[in-house]
Amino acid sequence: GQQVMQIPQYQHVQEGEDFTTYCNSSTTLSNIQWYKQRPGGHPVFLIQLVKSGEVKKQKRLTFQFGEAKKNSSLHITATQTTDVGTYFCARGGGKLIFGQGTELSVKP
Amino acid sequence: NAGVTQTPKFQVLKTGQSMTLQCAQDMNHEYMSWYRQDPGMGLRLIHYSVGAGITDQGEVPNGYNVSRSTTEDFPLRLLSAAPSQTSVYFCASRPGTSGSGEQFFGPGTRLTVL
Repeated sequence: GQQVMQIPQYQHVQEGEDFTTYCNSSTTLSNIQWYKQRPGGHPVFLIQLVKSGEVKKQKRLTFQFGEAKKNSSLHITATQTTDVGTYFCARGGGKLIFGQGTELSVKP
Repeated sequence: NAGVTQTPKFQVLKTGQSMTLQCAQDMNHEYMSWYRQDPGMGLRLIHYSVGAGITDQGEVPNGYNVSRSTTEDFPLRLLSAAPSQTSVYFCASRPGTSGSGEQFFGPGTRLTVL
């Protein structure tokens, strides 16, 4: 249906290692958004991707939208303890439908 | 701007009780939504609204009612609370078709149903 599948569910890394979370849909997406939720907090918008093959960077974060607009990824280079939290993708449209999220923990 | 505000922050109910979770935004956003968050389940859409007087069901609407009489307010009503409705509830708003698509979330209401 309209679900977006997100993997992995959990990721534990050593500080300085890279991290990637993937978002997949069985249907073509009009756009995809990414959010970060710190422990105990609320989701905060990171970015929206709209174009096929789009790549956007925010400092150490790189966001990609697949050529077929059915998948997306978020890559963090050289993780820091401040990156801890859960990262969600969300398929756009009239209603935003979220993936299950990837919980990232970073060991100093 | 206060952004998106939710009250109460915490609530404990007994099975069968009813209550309303309040949500308000002062950004003149067209779209408003309610989500529930449970461990390992992500954020699941309960109901949403694309403007005053218009509401529609999300992924998990059963047991909840909404109305949107004004642009600013979008209350969520639990008709007869059940333990399965124990969750954290987030209200969110966004401008609609204009802008970056960014959705702004409130701080959440943590609900426990005994």
